[in-house]
Amino acid sequence: KAGVTQTPRYLIKTRGQQVTLSCSPISGHRSVSWYQQTPGQGLQFLFEYFSETQRNKGNFPGRFSGRQFSNSRSEMNVSTLELGDSALYLCASSLRQGDSPLHFGNGTRLTVT
Amino acid sequence: GESVGLHLPTLSVQEGDNSIINCAYSNSASDYFIWYKQESGKGPQFIIDIRSNMDKRQGQRVTVLLNKTVKHLSLQIAATQPGDSAVYFCAENTGGFKTIFGAGTRLFVKA
Repeated sequence: KAGVTQTPRYLIKTRGQQVTLSCSPISGHRSVSWYQQTPGQGLQFLFEYFSETQRNKGNFPGRFSGRQFSNSRSEMNVSTLELGDSALYLCASSLRQGDSPLHFGNGTRLTVT
Repeated sequence: GESVGLHLPTLSVQEGDNSIINCAYSNSASDYFIWYKQESGKGPQFIIDIRSNMDKRQGQRVTVLLNKTVKHLSLQIAATQPGDSAVYFCAENTGGFKTIFGAGTRLFVKA
């Protein structure tokens, strides 16, 4: 079974631009979660989707948004990029939230200049 | 507030020794705990999990212990190998459709 796939692997953007990251979950997994990973803050929860519905959201500004499609694929968008948005963005899928582990992709490394 | 923390940011062990990585959590309502391993350039990888109705679970060379009385979680790695060198995260599921992660411990294995 193929793992979680994230595209692109690397991305360089300038301040003020917007960016869209993509995630394809493991087949059969309906829950998709997004995390931001930085050296200073560790793994910070962004949001979780299940059956196209956002069920939880972390403490991030409204510039961070996401969606999930009917095939469980997910995208996240960051608008008006800031230097502090430079991070590794990780997507994870799971069968269920609450009692099954997250399976992560290798992330998208975003650099904002 | 909710938090999952780690007692040691770095741990250095000799190859062949056992490793113990500790974690404290503060949300007594959490009922599902997971350990992940992250190698450079990769996403976190699931190692082992445990539910709150258990206090010990064993996998291949790994054991997770849960002490709900003191809200403590530990990961034991037997016969540590160079390939075990990585950052280890504990995580808890709070039941609110999110999993929160600890700060991570870097494990160095000396040959």
